[in-house]
Amino acid sequence: EPEVTQTPSHQVTQMGQEVILRCVPISNHLYFYWYRQILGQKVEFLVSFYNNEISEKSEIFDDQFSVERPDGSNFTLKIRSTKLEDSAMYFCASSPQSGANVLTFGAGSRLTVL
Amino acid sequence: AQKITQTQPGMFVQEKEAVTLDCTYDTSDPSYGLFWYKQPSSGEMIFLIYQGSYDQQNATEGRYSLNFQKARKSANLVISASQLGDSAMYFCAMREGYTGTASKLTFGTGTRLQVTL
Repeated sequence: EPEVTQTPSHQVTQMGQEVILRCVPISNHLYFYWYRQILGQKVEFLVSFYNNEISEKSEIFDDQFSVERPDGSNFTLKIRSTKLEDSAMYFCASSPQSGANVLTFGAGSRLTVL
Repeated sequence: AQKITQTQPGMFVQEKEAVTLDCTYDTSDPSYGLFWYKQPSSGEMIFLIYQGSYDQQNATEGRYSLNFQKARKSANLVISASQLGDSAMYFCAMREGYTGTASKLTFGTGTRLQVTL
């Protein structure tokens, strides 16, 4: 069954450092997303991406965050200068433009900011 | 107001029994979709079942069914014949708007289900 793959599975970084989280969405999906889940809390929407541009972003997705689809397969989330409160599990997801448009999530990248 | 409310932080069920996880939602959009995801202790989010606002029948997927009561704005998940592997966190989520656009999901706070022998 097709899956969304994310790397790294866990990253530890120092406050103020830049972090890039990588994702390979399902190949025939057209929409891409990043969500995050702070430990013990609910999953929150960060950004959606379609046709090589951001289609929607949340209040959380400020100037410190950016997304990019540098080639035909990868989808990245960059955090320019990490803060302690950026520590969370970051989920990449993708969905087709058909049917129920169900999101398939990756296994997540756990980011720990020290 | 919360868009998705899951009032049961934790539930216990005996193996082979059925269990209902509650979810209520709030939207004024006539077009919306409701999703249930399972999150085991390993952390990944696994899609279980979907119900569209215009669907006439309740969705079913194997042992999972969704009890959709539109007038009451509830979308409860029913798991029949519980198995030990069903022990996990369960999230209800909603997408507002037409399915042809990006699915920005709003999640509830989740219900932790523990299946016992």
